[in-house]
Amino acid sequence: GDSVTQMEGPVTLSEEAFLTINCTYTATGYPSLFWYVQYPGEGLQLLLKATKADDKGSNKGFEATYRKETTSFHLEKGSVQVSDSAVYFCALSPYSGGGADGLTFGKGTHLIIQP
Amino acid sequence: DTAVSQTPKYLVTQMGNDKSIKCEQNLGHDTMYWYKQDSKKFLKIMFSYNNKELIINETVPNRFSPKSPDKAHLNLHINSLELGDSAVYFCASSPAGGPLPDTQYFGPGTRLLVL
Repeated sequence: GDSVTQMEGPVTLSEEAFLTINCTYTATGYPSLFWYVQYPGEGLQLLLKATKADDKGSNKGFEATYRKETTSFHLEKGSVQVSDSAVYFCALSPYSGGGADGLTFGKGTHLIIQP
Repeated sequence: DTAVSQTPKYLVTQMGNDKSIKCEQNLGHDTMYWYKQDSKKFLKIMFSYNNKELIINETVPNRFSPKSPDKAHLNLHINSLELGDSAVYFCASSPAGGPLPDTQYFGPGTRLLVL
């Protein structure tokens, strides 16, 4: 079945550091890929997405590129802030031509940004 | 206005009890979902419901049953609660049904503790 693997945390960085959170996937067909963020005590919010190979999703200074050849969707940000501290989830949705497919999530990466 | 809402936010109950969690979305979406997040933050799809079609994750015990009184609501009923049911349950919705998988919007979660 489909699966998502992401680096396990916690990842601790200083403010203004460069961030990379690795994510690789296994899926049949052509999945869409997502990054969701969960702030403490809150639900999940969509951070960015990409629906086909070589697409780049970006939002709030974060970006990720859909790499079909390496089956990866790594999350990057050039300069992190304390407010970026959260749990980040990589996820995929299979291409099924319609229907109600749930997301397959990675295990989440806890990011801690220190002032 | 809250897009996807859940009630209650917290639920503490005894083993063996029956409980329900309500979910409502005001986005006009066609598909709704329930996810379970365990103590290690791992998220797993439980159900998806689209146009009266229910898709069930085969690992979900039959003590769990979703009920949809209308397109905007998908409630989760749990019978004979067990200690292992303690988790955070997230409802989500999406306008799925088109040619590509679409973004899912999550509720704030319901934290269930079974004693």
